[in-house]
Amino acid sequence: DQQVKQNSPSLSVQEGRISILNCDYTNSMFDYFLWYKKYPAEGPTFLISISSIKDKNEDGRFTVFLNKSAKHLSLHIVPSQPGDSAVYFCAASAIVNYGGSQGNLIFGKGTKLSVKP
Amino acid sequence: DTAVSQTPKYLVTQMGNDKSIKCEQNLGHDTMYWYKQDSKKFLKIMFSYNNKELIINETVPNRFSPKSPDKAHLNLHINSLELGDSAVYFCASSQEVRWDEQFFGPGTRLTVL
Repeated sequence: DQQVKQNSPSLSVQEGRISILNCDYTNSMFDYFLWYKKYPAEGPTFLISISSIKDKNEDGRFTVFLNKSAKHLSLHIVPSQPGDSAVYFCAASAIVNYGGSQGNLIFGKGTKLSVKP
Repeated sequence: DTAVSQTPKYLVTQMGNDKSIKCEQNLGHDTMYWYKQDSKKFLKIMFSYNNKELIINETVPNRFSPKSPDKAHLNLHINSLELGDSAVYFCASSQEVRWDEQFFGPGTRLTVL
């Protein structure tokens, strides 16, 4: 039972263009969403987050959009750079920190982004 | 200086053996975690310790036991290893128990033959 789904296992984008990574979730209790970036042979790195009271959060080239009614979020990277090539994980939780079973952090399977020069 | 380090990086062992994975963080954080990334690539939290106290213990077989000798270390002991234990195990740390403040280690790839 996948509560967080990243349906595109991979995405290829030209340098300088926009990368859009998508994530869907099923649990309406989720209130806090995060994106992590992972390079090969390294652990995930926190990238950006959004709480359900917002529909957009921006940090430099990275913007996360949240559509609660559709249970959908997306990560936009503009402009894309070769160094952005990595696996991006979407994650969701009912709370920003651990709050028992409802507060656990649930990850998607990841989307591998390749940015070509 | 590595913030969160894990040893070993790779571990290949036979079914039924007992093994340990070590994790150390030099960030002065109070909270440490263990995650498992299975063959389907899902990352799942297993345990978390805050100030050496176990605060998260998800549905994990009793064969897995975390041990925190001090705040900077959280080791994972696995008894009677099974084929399904093959995975990449990530250690992480944060000051408080917050998802957006976690620093992850590089991972330990465990292969059970």
